[in-house]
Amino acid sequence: DAGITQSPRHKVTETGTPVTLRCHQTENHRYMYWYRQDPGHGLRLIHYSYGVKDTDKGEVSDGYSVSRSKTEDFLLTLESATSSQTSVYFCAISLQAPNTEAFFGQGTRLTVV
Amino acid sequence: GQQVMQIPQYQHVQEGEDFTTYCNSSTTLSNIQWYKQRPGGHPVFLIQLVKSGEVKKQKRLTFQFGEAKKNSSLHITATQTTDVGTYFCAGPNNNNDMRFGAGTRLTVKP
Repeated sequence: DAGITQSPRHKVTETGTPVTLRCHQTENHRYMYWYRQDPGHGLRLIHYSYGVKDTDKGEVSDGYSVSRSKTEDFLLTLESATSSQTSVYFCAISLQAPNTEAFFGQGTRLTVV
Repeated sequence: GQQVMQIPQYQHVQEGEDFTTYCNSSTTLSNIQWYKQRPGGHPVFLIQLVKSGEVKKQKRLTFQFGEAKKNSSLHITATQTTDVGTYFCAGPNNNNDMRFGAGTRLTVKP
């Protein structure tokens, strides 16, 4: 599993509240990603990071922000959660180079009510 | 922007039958990757193809990358119940992010 831990694994939150999801890795990998998975859409990239304080937007970044102050932690924040952000969120890492084989965390199921 | 299309969306087979899923990109890809996700699980990397026309095998799974590097296929010979899951292809676009297909969900009847 490449030492990836996501927390929490499940969360229910109310519309309008901020939510932070955490991705922690134990092996100092440089490249980290946040995806969301919805039926019929596969996985869509939200944000990615190529190192500490080096982040960029992906395909579906609106309403999300990220931070990476340490190599091992990549945080995803929903600034003001909406029902459209109900999804399963996966963190992933690449071992050698960006956009090569990725290893995924177990996922966080987020429900916004 | 780049689109990665995958067909079929669903495939139901009898155990022992073969299965193929196809992936097509609107742009040329530097590489293509395949992942498998079991129900309730997370995507697991299967393989990466880089070269035009490349063919790789993993036991009963055969992966192909098209000559134009815009399409790919995954073929499973003699499916087993352990093959159940959703198979995704993915390729990088020019903006340094990965684009995944919507996946093909395979069910296998014993």
